[in-house]
Amino acid sequence: EAGVVQSPRYKIIEKKQPVAFWCNPISGHNTLYWYRQNLGQGPELLIRYENEEAVDDSQLPKDRFSAERLKGVDSTLKIQPAELGDSAVYLCASSFDPLNEQFFGPGTRLTVL
Amino acid sequence: LAKTTQPISMDSYEGQEVNITCSHNNIATNDYITWYQQFPSQGPRFIIQGYKTKVTNEVASLFIPADRKSSTLSLPRVSLSDTAVYYCLVGNNQAGTALIFGKGTTLSVSS
Repeated sequence: EAGVVQSPRYKIIEKKQPVAFWCNPISGHNTLYWYRQNLGQGPELLIRYENEEAVDDSQLPKDRFSAERLKGVDSTLKIQPAELGDSAVYLCASSFDPLNEQFFGPGTRLTVL
Repeated sequence: LAKTTQPISMDSYEGQEVNITCSHNNIATNDYITWYQQFPSQGPRFIIQGYKTKVTNEVASLFIPADRKSSTLSLPRVSLSDTAVYYCLVGNNQAGTALIFGKGTTLSVSS
């Protein structure tokens, strides 16, 4: 069974540029999560989807971050414009439902110059 | 939100049993306790989850006392490949209390 797929794996951009991350969850998983992980820290939840509905986006910086999960499958996380402090690893995870274990993708390492 | 406290780091040798304790004094009635493992350059991986007493699977055991204010992850006979960061999470997404990752415990296993 394929795991959570994320692309790109690495991204280097200059500040003020836009960037987008893509996530394909495990087939049949209704819950999708986006996390941001800074160096030496644990993952920080940005947004959680139940199917296509965002049910927890309290930690998403809405002035520059946006996310969507059309048709309740794939998801895209966007940053526009990027700032130096956005450099981090962005992790996508999915689970069958909110109570079950989360399966994480390999992450996208973003470097903002 | 239930806050967790874990040791920042632990050291062990191959073949030893490692116990990592997590404190969660304000755990809610509906909260579960979940542990994840993370290797460098990888996403976290689920290890074990429990609500009370003891849970055991093929890789670890989770001990939860009756008051549920703490929990202990037990890794039997660790090997070098168990060197990783271990996160204790408390919460219940279904009840609206999101699982929050802390800084975790960095376990270093030496030969």
